[in-house]
Amino acid sequence: NAGVTQTPKFQVLKTGQSMTLQCAQDMNHNSMYWYRQDPGMGLRLIYYSASEGTTDKGEVPNGYNVSRLNKREFSLRLESAAPSQTSVYFCASKRRDTEAFFGQGTRLTVV
Amino acid sequence: TQLLEQSPQFLSIQEGENLTVYCNSSSVFSSLQWYRQEPGEGPVLLVTVVTGGEVKKLKRLTFQFGDARKDSSLHITAAQPGDTGLYLCAGSVFNKFYFGSGTKLNVKP
Repeated sequence: NAGVTQTPKFQVLKTGQSMTLQCAQDMNHNSMYWYRQDPGMGLRLIYYSASEGTTDKGEVPNGYNVSRLNKREFSLRLESAAPSQTSVYFCASKRRDTEAFFGQGTRLTVV
Repeated sequence: TQLLEQSPQFLSIQEGENLTVYCNSSSVFSSLQWYRQEPGEGPVLLVTVVTGGEVKKLKRLTFQFGDARKDSSLHITAAQPGDTGLYLCAGSVFNKFYFGSGTKLNVKP
C-alpha cells in the first residue's frame, strides 16, 4: 500500500547548496510529475515525465533538473538552491485521464 | 498566469451557507478533476468530469463541466466546518497535468 513515496520530508539548505528529492511509485504508472506549492496557493508544475526515458518542462522549470531513472523513480535536483525555491514540493503519478496520487511532500527551506 | 484560474481565491463563510467555486481556462480539456487538500497533505481526488455539460453530485457537493469543456464549477450546499480546506481543479493538456490556483475555504461553526 505504499503508493507514492517521497524523501526527504523536511530539508534546510544554505543558498548555493545542491540536493536531490527522490520519488518512487509502485502503481506501474507511466506519468510522473513534480510540483511546487507556495503557502495558500495551488500547485505549479515544474517538470513531468510521460514515460520512462522522457522528461519535459512544466510551468516553472528554471533552477531545476529531473531524471526518470526507470518507470518507478523520478528525481528532482536543485543544482544551486536559492531562497526563492523555498516551498513544499510534491511528486505525483497517474495514468492518463485518471486520478493523480501524491507523495507526502517535501518541505524545503533555503536560507 | 496559470492555465486554470480559480475564483474566489479565499472564501470564509458561516456553517450552513451555500457557496460556488469556479475554475476557468481558455483551453479545452478532455476532462477536469477536482481535488481537496488538507494542511500538510497531498491533494485527494473528489471527482472527475468528462462530458461537456455533465453534472455530478457527491453528497452536498455538485460539480459541473462547462458545455465547451473549458470551465467547471463546484457548488457546496449547507457548508460544514469539515468542508474547510483547499479546493483545486486540475486538467491535462498534452500529458502535462496542471492545477488551478486554488480556493481556500474556511467554514466557521
